[in-house]
Amino acid sequence: DAKTTQPPSMDCAEGRAANLPCNHSTISGNEYVYWYRQIHSQGPQYIIHGLKNNETNEMASLIITEDRKSSTLILPHATLRDTAVYYCIVRVGGYGNKLVFGAGTILRVKS
Amino acid sequence: DTAVSQTPKYLVTQMGNDKSIKCEQNLGHDTMYWYKQDSKKFLKIMFSYNNKELIINETVPNRFSPKSPDKAHLNLHINSLELGDSAVYFCASSQEVVGKANTGELFFGEGSRLTVL
Repeated sequence: DAKTTQPPSMDCAEGRAANLPCNHSTISGNEYVYWYRQIHSQGPQYIIHGLKNNETNEMASLIITEDRKSSTLILPHATLRDTAVYYCIVRVGGYGNKLVFGAGTILRVKS
Repeated sequence: DTAVSQTPKYLVTQMGNDKSIKCEQNLGHDTMYWYKQDSKKFLKIMFSYNNKELIINETVPNRFSPKSPDKAHLNLHINSLELGDSAVYFCASSQEVVGKANTGELFFGEGSRLTVL
């Protein structure tokens, strides 16, 4: 699986958009980009995933560059409860392929 | 109802003991996983089972033995516990179907914190 690079930490003001970047310059054509988060003392939680196109769901938006070498997770209106470690993962789609978690980005949402 | 439940949530034991952590999911998924999160907070996959069949087995000591009595349960038994086994162990499940583009969405339990003294 391709490796990802994320900043170790970021701060965001409550109510503002949080934009979390991820570099995955060696991504292969059949690898998806996944985002998970882990709130303190809880299990990781799936947020969103995509292959080429931008994706949006009730939690976040995922913007993938045209060359697919980087992506950005956007939390449109961050709240204090969004303080967590955010993991960007690339993974081949399909049966039996594992999710490999890196160090992630610690997002601190401040009032 | 909790989707993925693990027991116990906390486990404190002595070196050399044998212990088990149980996991159950009520999502109807056919794939289950065990992940380990150590003190440095890295999450590492240990095992994955699909319909009771082992499909992922990372480089894990033989002292760790997963058991899947049915597709809704994946238990982790650890023999001869060592200090380095202290960690939080997470169970997860997903719906993975052979030959299909699966979503890769894993549902995690709340974790079981194991402390070996």
